[in-house]
Amino acid sequence: AQSVSQHNHHVILSEAASLELGCNYSYGGTVNLFWYVQYPGQHLQLLLKYFSGDPLVKGIKGFEAEFIKSKFSFNLRKPSVQWSDTAEYFCAFESGAGSYQLTFGKGTKLSVIP
Amino acid sequence: DVKVTQSSRYLVKRTGEKVFLECVQDMDHENMFWYRQDPGLGLRLIYFSYDVKMKEKGDIPEGYSVSREKKERFSLILESASTNQTSMYLCASSFSVGRGLADTYEQYFGPGTRLTVT
Repeated sequence: AQSVSQHNHHVILSEAASLELGCNYSYGGTVNLFWYVQYPGQHLQLLLKYFSGDPLVKGIKGFEAEFIKSKFSFNLRKPSVQWSDTAEYFCAFESGAGSYQLTFGKGTKLSVIP
Repeated sequence: DVKVTQSSRYLVKRTGEKVFLECVQDMDHENMFWYRQDPGLGLRLIYFSYDVKMKEKGDIPEGYSVSREKKERFSLILESASTNQTSMYLCASSFSVGRGLADTYEQYFGPGTRLTVT
């Protein structure tokens, strides 16, 4: 079955620390990959997405993610986090077969301490 | 700007009641989705629809049904609410293939309805 694994349930960082959130998916074919963010009390919104081309994808608010096909991974990074990055982050993929469905990971809660 | 709206932010219902959750999108999206979000479990797909009057079961359809009579509106129905259906319910919509690769599959989410069944 298709699935997404997010390695950390809760990450706590101080402001200015670097961030890397792990995401691995299980699917052998072409994938489209996404990171969504949910700020406290707000709706889910797209951070960045990968469809094809350059495996290093840049998103909003200074986030980036790298697709490593050989590792089935799509890790999210930010060089210096801010208190306003406190949120829950979800990795998701679509199998590329025109199914329209996204498979989501269980989410990683990020707490940034000022 | 894509807008997905849900009829209520908070809802409290009693066990056994019939519950309707409404979702409306204003971007002429073909696809619409209902998820439930629970702590530690992420988002789980209940039902989705890729066209008017069409529906497909997701991962956890038991105890739910859906209705899509108009393209912009997708309703989730709990026929007889139970306490284990207490959750946050999220609606989403997206274009289908053929509208341009950059938009394909990206889902736009509503604010969610927090349903409590007592």
